[in-house]
Amino acid sequence: GQQLNQSPQSMFIQEGEDVSMNCTSSSIFNTWLWYKQDPGEGPVLLIALYKAGELTSNGRLTAQFGITRKDSFLNISASIPSDVGIYFCAGPSDMRFGAGTRLTVKP
Amino acid sequence: DGGITQSPKYLFRKEGQNVTLSCEQNLNHDAMYWYRQDPGQGLRLIYYSQIVNDFQKGDIAEGYSVSREKKESFPLTVTSAQKNPTAFYLCASTLQGAISGYTFGSGTRLTVV
Repeated sequence: GQQLNQSPQSMFIQEGEDVSMNCTSSSIFNTWLWYKQDPGEGPVLLIALYKAGELTSNGRLTAQFGITRKDSFLNISASIPSDVGIYFCAGPSDMRFGAGTRLTVKP
Repeated sequence: DGGITQSPKYLFRKEGQNVTLSCEQNLNHDAMYWYRQDPGQGLRLIYYSQIVNDFQKGDIAEGYSVSREKKESFPLTVTSAQKNPTAFYLCASTLQGAISGYTFGSGTRLTVV
């Protein structure tokens, strides 16, 4: 099956800092999905990307669909404590998710 | 409001017992999925079903069984054959093709005592 690699595995940042994470696939994707999981809860969809080169924002979150269609990026600006959680990427057709980026925000 | 419901939230099981985790959705989604999550780990696919009365093994199906008798329901049975069943279990559903994304339940935490 497809390999999905997310990096970094974890991040420890200060409140107010910007965050960048990315996901790469061994195959071309037609759609990229980004999710956030709060502790003890199910993941929630943050952003969906449908076109190579697409840049989509949702509040302080911005995600991009890479031109090669094998990668995607998620940025969080001006982080706040409630951004803590695990961020997952996924390509819908494969039913698999990346291993996640664990974000810790220090007040 | 439409959604996907998992129950119970917490479940304790004695070694050697089978236990069934419930997953119900009222989103009229075609496909349903079960994932397992271990502490500090990602999501691993156990089983999935794209239509009623049909389901397929995922990456870690051994020791688990499922059924899909109704579109709304996809229960997961953790059998005594599963060697290390303590984990967080997540159910998800999607429309066919999944391009609008997966909707997840809030999970069931299973602990073997």
